[in-house]
Amino acid sequence: DIQMTQSPSSLSASVGDRVIITCRASQSISSYLNWYQHKPGKAPKVLIHAASSLQSGVPSRFGGSGSGTDFTLTINSLQPEDFATYYCQQSYSMPYTFGQGTKLEIK
Amino acid sequence: QLQLQDSGPGLVKASETLSLTCTVSGGSISSVNYYWGWIRQPPGKGLEWIASIFYSGDTLYNPSLKSRVTISGDTSKNQFSLNLTSVTAADTAVYYCARAAVGRFGARYFDLWGRGTLVAVSS
Repeated sequence: DIQMTQSPSSLSASVGDRVIITCRASQSISSYLNWYQHKPGKAPKVLIHAASSLQSGVPSRFGGSGSGTDFTLTINSLQPEDFATYYCQQSYSMPYTFGQGTKLEIK
Repeated sequence: QLQLQDSGPGLVKASETLSLTCTVSGGSISSVNYYWGWIRQPPGKGLEWIASIFYSGDTLYNPSLKSRVTISGDTSKNQFSLNLTSVTAADTAVYYCARAAVGRFGARYFDLWGRGTLVAVSS
């Protein structure tokens, strides 16, 4: 299985900040990398697919980049509704695997 | 607008079978553009993909669970289901059903999710 490792595991930031979350795959996954936002009690929501494609309806302050083994999710100008847990997921090979999550908290 | 509604018992006894159903409304599980799956999240842990089913009925399973899992579809009811046998406390989790779409260069991603069903396994 491909292991996905996110860093940091948790992050404190303020409204208006720019934050970067990284995800590293244990082997090359080309650009088959997705990012999800998950809030307690709600369904996860896809933000970015294929490493850098913004899902329809997702604000443009979210951005993704990377290929191969190293990827980043950037959130510009944090908004109050952005405080959540973020997961990366590879769809390069089965079984699909997720990172352990990055919990973004309000400073 | 397409919606997924997952349902099932909130409590299952250890060694028994967990059965969950996802009802799809506003779209068809027979669509060739998508496939369907189950993902779970144990308390305090991350997400784990369990299984997927294609419009053709073909299935994919996570090897870590394959011996205990069956995913199936019922096109007449526009539903797909998950059976997990011989459950233990480690199977306690929120179970989500989800739709997988296709993005750039054929990359799959889960674009729609159910709200999730918490299933606890009791001893």
